[in-house]
Amino acid sequence: DVQMTQSPYTLSASVGDRVTITCRASDSVDGFLAWFQQKPGEAPNLLIYEASRLETGVPPRFSGSGSGTEFTLTIDGLQPDDFATYYCQQYDSYSRGYTFGPGTKVDI
Amino acid sequence: EVQLLESGGGVVHPGGSLRLSCAASGFSFGDYTMAWVRQIPGRGLQWVASSAPSTFYAGFVRGRFTITRDDSKRTVFLHMRSLSAEDTAIYYCAKARSPYTSETFNVWGQGTMVTVSS
Repeated sequence: DVQMTQSPYTLSASVGDRVTITCRASDSVDGFLAWFQQKPGEAPNLLIYEASRLETGVPPRFSGSGSGTEFTLTIDGLQPDDFATYYCQQYDSYSRGYTFGPGTKVDI
Repeated sequence: EVQLLESGGGVVHPGGSLRLSCAASGFSFGDYTMAWVRQIPGRGLQWVASSAPSTFYAGFVRGRFTITRDDSKRTVFLHMRSLSAEDTAIYYCAKARSPYTSETFNVWGQGTMVTVSS
């Protein structure tokens, strides 16, 4: 099974900062990589799919890039509403399974 | 509006069984992969099972869980047996982003809490 890692584990930032989170896969994920935001007490919210495509309704300050085994989520101009935990997720077309990264908490 | 509403969570004894339900509305249910994802409070997300409608399971399920769906009732179920404390989690129902694909999930329910405790 493909294993996912994220760095950093936690990230302290300020409003207006540019923030980058990295996600690495143990094997190529063929671009089937998504990013989610989760706030305490809420379900995850899809931000990015297919590594770089912005989900409808998500602010353009969020962007994704990468391919193969290394991907990044960038928040350009952090807003107060962005303090949350971010997860990457891959879909394995061979096993038809999904694996989430361990999460990155963005706080003040 | 696309909505998913889970139910069926609660407290169950170790070794017990539980059936979770997820009622869907606002989209053509039969065309979409549906999944269950769980989260131990304070921890990360863990995919449990998918119905596409072929079924797929995470390794830790080990034959204990079964995902089924009733397209006529727009509902997906997760039947869980031989539960242990390690299964204590919030269980989310999720919908695939696009029809006839299984890539990722763009709609999630609010979650239902399952507590396995004696």
